Amino acid sequence: SQQGEEDPQALSIQEGENATMNCSYKTSINNLQWYRQNSGRGLVHLILIRSNEREKHSGRLRVTLDTSKKSSSLLITASRAADTASYFCATTHSGGYNKLIFGAGTRLAVHP
Amino acid sequence: NAGVTQTPKFQVLKTGQSMTLQCAQDMNHNSMYWYRQDPGMGLRLIYYSASEGTTDKGEVPNGYNVSRLNKREFSLRLESAAPSQTSVYFCASTGTSGIRGSYEQYFGPGTRLTVT
Repeated sequence: SQQGEEDPQALSIQEGENATMNCSYKTSINNLQWYRQNSGRGLVHLILIRSNEREKHSGRLRVTLDTSKKSSSLLITASRAADTASYFCATTHSGGYNKLIFGAGTRLAVHP
Repeated sequence: NAGVTQTPKFQVLKTGQSMTLQCAQDMNHNSMYWYRQDPGMGLRLIYYSASEGTTDKGEVPNGYNVSRLNKREFSLRLESAAPSQTSVYFCASTGTSGIRGSYEQYFGPGTRLTVT
């Protein structure tokens, strides 16, 4: 069964708005990663946050991690049409040989 | 660098036919993975290879076999294809860096497989 669950399943916003996606997981993690998938393409790594970190930034991306609630959020600020994609969280676990366990993803549509 | 490459891009099989999906990476990564992605779902791990010479089952290994041919190449074989194996298949690799490793995975473009 999948570890992560994203919320919402789909999100539609206008260019310039912020987009927030949430991810919950079930068991303790080593790290949590966010990936983007454009339609018909492979996944691209966006950002990784370790279990002992609470917040991380990369350009217009901000990720938070709350291990007590087993949840993470991805914020994309000042969205662009090019941000339209599916976004997945994935977790790794102790002894897991970097095995990623993915959630079902959030489909983001950014309208010009 | 090409990164992770997969062949073929598309394939249609009849039930019972066999085929091998090929994957290669040129990043000198130790670990390689095969995932499948079904509509509306995230990726599920089929098999992985933590290092050259080792392979292990993932979440959904039934109906598949793998071979880690060398450090660069990791193939996935369907011995007798079934309609339930219609999916998009992704290969990925990862290397580690630093004391605690980096762990991000690099994905190929995918193989879209239809079994009729």
